[in-house]
Amino acid sequence: DVHLTQSPSSLSAFVGDSVTIHCRASQAIGTYLAWYQQKSGKAPELLISGASSLQSGVPLRFSGGGYGTDFTLTISGLQPEDFATYYCQQGDFYPWTFGQGTRVEIK
Amino acid sequence: EVQLLESGGGLVQPGGSLGLSCAASGFTFSNFAMHWVRQTPGKGLEWVAAFSTHDGVYYSDSVRGRFIVSRDESQSTFHLQMNRLRAEDTALYYCVKSTKKEVPRPYFDFWGQGAVVAVSS
Repeated sequence: DVHLTQSPSSLSAFVGDSVTIHCRASQAIGTYLAWYQQKSGKAPELLISGASSLQSGVPLRFSGGGYGTDFTLTISGLQPEDFATYYCQQGDFYPWTFGQGTRVEIK
Repeated sequence: EVQLLESGGGLVQPGGSLGLSCAASGFTFSNFAMHWVRQTPGKGLEWVAAFSTHDGVYYSDSVRGRFIVSRDESQSTFHLQMNRLRAEDTALYYCVKSTKKEVPRPYFDFWGQGAVVAVSS
């Protein structure tokens, strides 16, 4: 199975800060990577697919990048509604797997 | 508006069976693969199974031979029959819509609210 390792596991930041979350795959997955946001008590929501394609309705402060084994999710100018847990997911190899999550908290 | 409404969760003893259903609306059901993904505090998000009318059924190794996934195109419903349940199957189970009609290389663009399955004696 493709193992996805996210870093950091958690971070604290102020409203307005920019933060970057990393996702490393145990083998190359091209750009078959998605990012999800999960707020407490809610289901995950798809933010980005294909490593960098923003889903309709997702604010432009979210951006993704990377190829192969190393990927990033950047939030430029954190807003109060962005404090949540973020997961990466690879779609290249069966079985499809998720990272362990990065919790973004208010400082 | 896409909606996915799960039902059928509950408490079951180890070795028992339980069925989950997902009622889908707001999109052309037959045009998309559907998946089940489960979540636990310890293991996080785990893909479980998928079904597409275009390329069939897929299962994770942890549930293959015990779980059966099916779909009813006439009712736009998606089902997961869970047999020989184990304590490690305890989780919140999400019904999830894929962005594409085929199962492979999925992204998950809509999720249900989740159904709790608890396996305990």
